[in-house]
Amino acid sequence: EAGVTQFPSHSVIEKGQTVTLRCDPISGHDNLYWYRRVMGKEIKFLLHFVKESKQDESGMPNNRFLAERTGGTYSTLKVQPAELEDSGVYFCASSQAARNYGYTFGSGTRLTVV
Amino acid sequence: AQSVTQPDIHITVSEGASLELRCNYSYGATPYLFWYVQSPGQGLQLLLKYFSGDTLVQGIKGFEAEFKRSQSSFNLRKPSVHWSDAAEYFCAVGRSINTGTASKLTFGTGTRLQVTL
Repeated sequence: EAGVTQFPSHSVIEKGQTVTLRCDPISGHDNLYWYRRVMGKEIKFLLHFVKESKQDESGMPNNRFLAERTGGTYSTLKVQPAELEDSGVYFCASSQAARNYGYTFGSGTRLTVV
Repeated sequence: AQSVTQPDIHITVSEGASLELRCNYSYGATPYLFWYVQSPGQGLQLLLKYFSGDTLVQGIKGFEAEFKRSQSSFNLRKPSVHWSDAAEYFCAVGRSINTGTASKLTFGTGTRLQVTL
């Protein structure tokens, strides 16, 4: 089966611009998660979708971040406007059932805000 | 709130030597514990996990980890390291299913492993 796909793999934008990251989960996986790793720090949870609904968005840092999951398939994470501290690697993961932590992670999008 | 500490940011070992990566967690109940590995350009790959039962768990690529409740630790070990093991390793803790829907993981800051030939 195809894995979790994220694109772009890298993005460099200027402060104040908008960036949209995309995640395509494994087909049939209802659960989709976004995580972020700021340079040198831990990987932090951002939010969890079950199909198209947000199950838990407690990790979203502020209202400059908007996540959507259209039709319960792919997901986008938009940062508008981007700030320097938003730089990091954004990971997406998906799973069939949330209860067993059977995550598959994507390879991440490295975002650099200059 | 749960937390994970990986005290070693960077470790260097010689190929063929044994390896132990440390992980300590803080959690109010019995946790679900994980070790992930990230190689350059790759996603996070699950090495092993502990949910319950035998406290010594075996994973892929010859790795094992031991859950020690008294020490709140879940250290990762490998008896003989290969050059291909050079990567970054992350310990993570999740809320046990009995306390609610399993969902988010809390990760440590990672340990970067360098292997010298």
